[in-house]
Amino acid sequence: DSGVTQTPKHLITATGQRVTLRCSPRSGDLSVYWYQQSLDQGLQFLIQYYNGEERAKGNILERFSAQQFPDLHSELNLSSLELGDSALYFCASSFNPDRPNSYEQYFGPGTRLTVT
Amino acid sequence: AQKVTQAQTEISVVEKEDVTLDCVYETRDTTYYLFWYKQPPSGELVFLIRRNSFDEQNEISGRYSWNFQKSTSSFNFTITASQVVDSAVYFCALSTKAQKLVFGQGTRLTINP
Repeated sequence: DSGVTQTPKHLITATGQRVTLRCSPRSGDLSVYWYQQSLDQGLQFLIQYYNGEERAKGNILERFSAQQFPDLHSELNLSSLELGDSALYFCASSFNPDRPNSYEQYFGPGTRLTVT
Repeated sequence: AQKVTQAQTEISVVEKEDVTLDCVYETRDTTYYLFWYKQPPSGELVFLIRRNSFDEQNEISGRYSWNFQKSTSSFNFTITASQVVDSAVYFCALSTKAQKLVFGQGTRLTINP
């Protein structure tokens, strides 16, 4: 168990809909990352938050947005869903100030999104 | 730009054989971090190891060992005496300090009984 939790585990929805994926980082970790895993694109970085602030953006579509709340949990919002958005979405956390040289990211179990 | 290449898409071996997974990386940063992750059939991503660019010492953990060679920009992973439970997709990844992971395409390892 990595200590990172994600809900829901599975999500099935229709094209055009909007969904929210939730992530709670490991206790003490300040940074949250979102990744998308699809068969054709592999594992791709979407966005990073650090202590509530957006830190870096990757290949994230404009239809997607995220935020990190004061309690450090994060949500990824996906809107106007398309068939191609079907993928496994991972959240990862890292950077505990008590262990400043610890750069490894621990991943949650993922949310499998199916758009029909 | 950073890039990680895992040239072996799939590897299949018989149990108890040794197997090496290759990883080659590209980066212009002088300080960087290399990782291996395991993704078993259940789907989660499990952290295995991190290596810092300034530490070329090889590492052994039980049946797992890692060979980091800066001269060839490689960070290879060897499983000794493989077991069926080692069957998974293995990802090599690269990052700079506290930043995003850049993953290779992964190597699907199948250990046959």
